[in-house]
Amino acid sequence: KQEVTQIPAALSVPEGENLVLNCSFTDSAIYNLQWFRQDPGKGLTSLLLIQSSQREQTSGRLNASLDKSSGRSTLYIAASQPGDSATYLCAVPNFNKFYFGSGTKLNVKP
Amino acid sequence: NAGVTQTPKFQVLKTGQSMTLQCAQDMNHEYMSWYRQDPGMGLRLIHYSVGAGITDQGEVPNGYNVSRSTTEDFPLRLLSAAPSQTSVYFCASSFSSGNTIYFGEGSWLTVV
Repeated sequence: KQEVTQIPAALSVPEGENLVLNCSFTDSAIYNLQWFRQDPGKGLTSLLLIQSSQREQTSGRLNASLDKSSGRSTLYIAASQPGDSATYLCAVPNFNKFYFGSGTKLNVKP
Repeated sequence: NAGVTQTPKFQVLKTGQSMTLQCAQDMNHEYMSWYRQDPGMGLRLIHYSVGAGITDQGEVPNGYNVSRSTTEDFPLRLLSAAPSQTSVYFCASSFSSGNTIYFGEGSWLTVV
């Protein structure tokens, strides 16, 4: 069974900092990885999807990288803003099942 | 452009009662799934479907039933509610397991 781990569980940073969130997975035979954002009391919103053939995917201030061989993905957030405060989750598929990490709760202080 | 719609948003049940959580999507997605989210445990897959008439179990299927009679709808049935089923339930859909996943807003269920 695929195990997905996200470290740290929580992170508090001042506004303007660049930061990195980590996601690791045990089975490297994945064909993609997705990063999501979850606001309190809301569903998950997909931020980035990286196919296994890609190493990076960018959207605005977000950049996600994928290293299948080491079982790791990182989500880089540039110039963080208070509006980035949310929980960030990663997910990997295994055939028709998705496995999620427990998330990193980010607080960006004004 | 509704996306994935879940109802109800909040529900309180008594132990032993049954109920159905509704999920509908208007994106013509073949893949639909149900998750529960509990503190410290992340999202866990309950059941999923790869198309109308096809369903399969996820990680935590006990106590839940699903059916998929149409592409649009994927209801989740709690057969006999137990306090351990108190959770937030999310429905999700995508074209396939290799594509972007879209989530509903969630259904908060409390079993007393």
